Amino acid sequence: QSALTQPASVSGSPGQSITISCTGISSDIGGYNYVSWYQQHPGKAPKLMIYDVSNRPSGVSNRFSGSKSGNTASLTISGLQAEDEADYYCGSYTSRFTPYVFGTGTTVTVL
Amino acid sequence: QVQLVQSGAEVKKPGASVKVACKASGYTFSNYGINWVRQAPGQGLEWMGWIAAYNDNTNSAEKLLGRVTMTIDTFTNTAYMELRSLRSDDTAVYFCARGGIWGVDYWGQGTLVTVSS
Repeated sequence: QSALTQPASVSGSPGQSITISCTGISSDIGGYNYVSWYQQHPGKAPKLMIYDVSNRPSGVSNRFSGSKSGNTASLTISGLQAEDEADYYCGSYTSRFTPYVFGTGTTVTVL
Repeated sequence: QVQLVQSGAEVKKPGASVKVACKASGYTFSNYGINWVRQAPGQGLEWMGWIAAYNDNTNSAEKLLGRVTMTIDTFTNTAYMELRSLRSDDTAVYFCARGGIWGVDYWGQGTLVTVSS
């Protein structure tokens, strides 16, 4: 089961906006609106940041937003802050044999 | 508040089995499923499987078929994941997470399983 493709790293200065891409195929991202994004700080459990492509759970900052176009989903972090430095993973439902797949992960660095 | 508390770290020999527990609280257990996700040292997240707490239906990752079993105890609101025929590349932190095959929301703290002779 191939993982969704993410850039290995993205960086930005405090206050800037960055976007992380997550590329799949028509049987996962392109076919369903079940894309989630997770933030993981070192040594910690992941935390849900976005679900169903663009919805934010209660308590998640509105600086985080999600979108999708075709087979690619995106997570945008605006007003970048030091606390946003972490690993980010996308995840999607897939109609293939294994029904859920994660992305390869992106390390966000705040310069 | 929703909490998922997992059992402690394990050290196992190759070929052995391990069973990780995940005790849920703060919500109606039977209304959600439990996913299992693992993360090898320095690596990304890998989805392992899912069990519905309301009817015991399961779905596992193809690569783990035949080695993983997920169960639910609705009396104690605890989910279990057993992995058999352990190999060195099964060394990882194992997480449980509430949700379905469409995504998860709350996560357990993780359980380190080390496979070493």
